[in-house]
Amino acid sequence: DSGVTQTPKHLITATGQRVTLRCSPRSGDLSVYWYQQSLDQGLQFLIQYYNGEERAKGNILERFSAQQFPDLHSELNLSSLELGDSALYFCASSFGTSSNEQFFGPGTRLTVL
Amino acid sequence: SQKIEQNSEALNIQEGKTATLTCNYTNYSPAYLQWYRQDPGRGPVFLLLIRENEKEKRKERLKVTFDTTLKQSLFHITASQPADSATYLCALDRTGANNLFFGTGTRLTVIP
Repeated sequence: DSGVTQTPKHLITATGQRVTLRCSPRSGDLSVYWYQQSLDQGLQFLIQYYNGEERAKGNILERFSAQQFPDLHSELNLSSLELGDSALYFCASSFGTSSNEQFFGPGTRLTVL
Repeated sequence: SQKIEQNSEALNIQEGKTATLTCNYTNYSPAYLQWYRQDPGRGPVFLLLIRENEKEKRKERLKVTFDTTLKQSLFHITASQPADSATYLCALDRTGANNLFFGTGTRLTVIP
């Protein structure tokens, strides 16, 4: 158990809809990272927050957004969903701003029908 | 463009042998390189980190080497066990960046 929690575990929705994925980092960690993992793309970095502020951006679509709240939990919002958005979404956390040793959550499996 | 390649998608090895996985990268100047283990349907688990000025790092049955001239890291599991069967991912940071770039992974199967 990494100490990172993600909800929900599974999500099934239709194209065009909007969903919110939630992540709570390990106790004491200030950085949260979001990744997308699909069969053909591998693990792709989406975005990083550190202590409430956006720190780094990767291959995140404009339809996707994220935020980190004062209690350090984070939410990833996915809107206007397409079939290709079906994937595993992982959240990871680390103590500092650099990407040393990240602790990953169990993931949310999103299926868009 | 930047690229991370892991030697093969799948590697089968007999129990007790040493498994060697390769990670090659181009157009990066990483400050460090990390290896993660991922079991099906689960999040990656951190195994080892090696810095650009380190040649080798060990942890129990695991050994990682890092050759910045060849732009390559080798990941060894000695005395492999069926429980070592998993996908192993290498990940690089870019100097100055706050995120990791992952390879697509090598799926290791240790046959009893």
